[in-house]
Amino acid sequence: DTGVSQDPRHKITKRGQNVTFRCDPISEHNRLYWYRQTLGQGPEFLTYFQNEAQLEKSRLLSDRFSAERPKGSFSTLEIQRTEQGDSAMYLCASRRTGDDKNIQYFGAGTRLSVL
Amino acid sequence: LAKTTQPISMDSYEGQEVNITCSHNNIATNDYITWYQQFPSQGPRFIIQGYKTKVTNEVASLFIPADRKSSTLSLPRVSLSDTAVYYCLVVGDTDKLIFGTGTRLQVFP
Repeated sequence: DTGVSQDPRHKITKRGQNVTFRCDPISEHNRLYWYRQTLGQGPEFLTYFQNEAQLEKSRLLSDRFSAERPKGSFSTLEIQRTEQGDSAMYLCASRRTGDDKNIQYFGAGTRLSVL
Repeated sequence: LAKTTQPISMDSYEGQEVNITCSHNNIATNDYITWYQQFPSQGPRFIIQGYKTKVTNEVASLFIPADRKSSTLSLPRVSLSDTAVYYCLVVGDTDKLIFGTGTRLQVFP
C-alpha cells in the first residue's frame, strides 16, 4: 500500500453514462497525476496538478474528460458520455515538490468497464 | 522524449538471476534511467534509477554503460513474487512519466 487511495476500485457503466473517480494522494504530496492504462500497454499520462492548479493536460484528455483538485488535496476525474473506448484502468499518482521527480507513488487504480 | 525498447516478455526459474536490457539510443544529457515494476491489479512501483555506471539497492541493480544508450536491470535470485511487468523509462526535464509496453517477466517454480 503506497498510501494513494482510489475509489472505486471497479466501475461498470453503460455507454453514454457519466462516471467520476476519486483519488486521495499521500497527505503531504502536493503534486497529483492521472494516467490511463489499457490492457497490455503501459500507463499513459493524462494530466497533473500542483496543489489546486492543473498544470498540464495530454491530448488524450478529450473534452469529455475533466479533472479537478479544488482544495489541493483529493482529486476527481470525470468522464462524460462514456464510450467503449474509455474502458481502461485509471491510475492516480502523487509526489511532493522537491522530492525526486522521477519517483511517483501510484494508487491501485480504478478499472472502468463501459458496456 | 527518448523512446525505450525492451523485450516484450521473459521467462525464468526461481533462484536464477534475470537481466532485462533496455535500449534508449536518443537519451539526452539530462535524462535519468528509471525502472518501475507493476503487479497485476496494482499501480506501478518505482524500483531503481541511475544516470551512469552501476546502481544497486535492496531490490535490484542497474548497469549503465558509458554511452548511456542502453541499460540493464538485474534481479538477483528471482522468486515467484517477482513475476510482474517491468518498465524502463527515460525521464528528463518533464513532470510526467512516459511508459512503454514493458517486459512481462514470468518466474516459474
